[in-house]
Amino acid sequence: DIVMTQSPDSLAVSLGERATINCKSSQSVLYSSNNQNYLAWHQQKPGQPPKVLIYWASTRGSGVPDRFSASGSGTDFTLTISSLQAEDVAVYYCQQYYSTPYTFGQGTKLEIK
Amino acid sequence: EVQLVESGGGLVQPGGSLRLSCAASGFTFRSSWMHWVRQAPGKGLVWVSRINSDGSTINYADSVKGRFTISRDNAKNTIYLQMNSLRDEDTAVYYCVRGVAWFDSWGQGTLVTVSS
Repeated sequence: DIVMTQSPDSLAVSLGERATINCKSSQSVLYSSNNQNYLAWHQQKPGQPPKVLIYWASTRGSGVPDRFSASGSGTDFTLTISSLQAEDVAVYYCQQYYSTPYTFGQGTKLEIK
Repeated sequence: EVQLVESGGGLVQPGGSLRLSCAASGFTFRSSWMHWVRQAPGKGLVWVSRINSDGSTINYADSVKGRFTISRDNAKNTIYLQMNSLRDEDTAVYYCVRGVAWFDSWGQGTLVTVSS
């Protein structure tokens, strides 16, 4: 199984400041035949189901604000929120869909400082 | 608009059975891969199972293999999760999710509580 490890486990950032979350996979999720990283980021706000923010490691989902960006390849990935808004308080999960069992990181809880 | 509505959750004793349903609308269901993902109270997300568009490809997490069965009825736009031999550790919110690759749409979830 591919193990996904996020850092940090929790993060407190001031409104308007940058937030960065890291994700590392135990093996590469880059599929050589199409040069795509099978990596997604999901946001889960309190009391709500998750929602996809990013797929293919760096493609924003429908309606996702452009303050959310992501990068990385192979085994190391980053989600960045350029200017934190109050509505961004949530738990963020990275997830690989390279192979079953699909696996998630343990989550990073983002709060306002 | 994509809608996924789960039902069938509830309280069940250890060793018991439950069948979850997920009614889909707003997209071409018969062409879509579907998944179940669960989340224990206060914990993270865990993928449970997936089924392809015609039901010919099915995969399970090791933790549920042999106890859970995923299926679909494309005429009813519905997927199911038959859960047998339930254990305390199966207590979770179960989400129905659409996605041939990434998970692009999630349902609201249905809570399953396994307790005596």
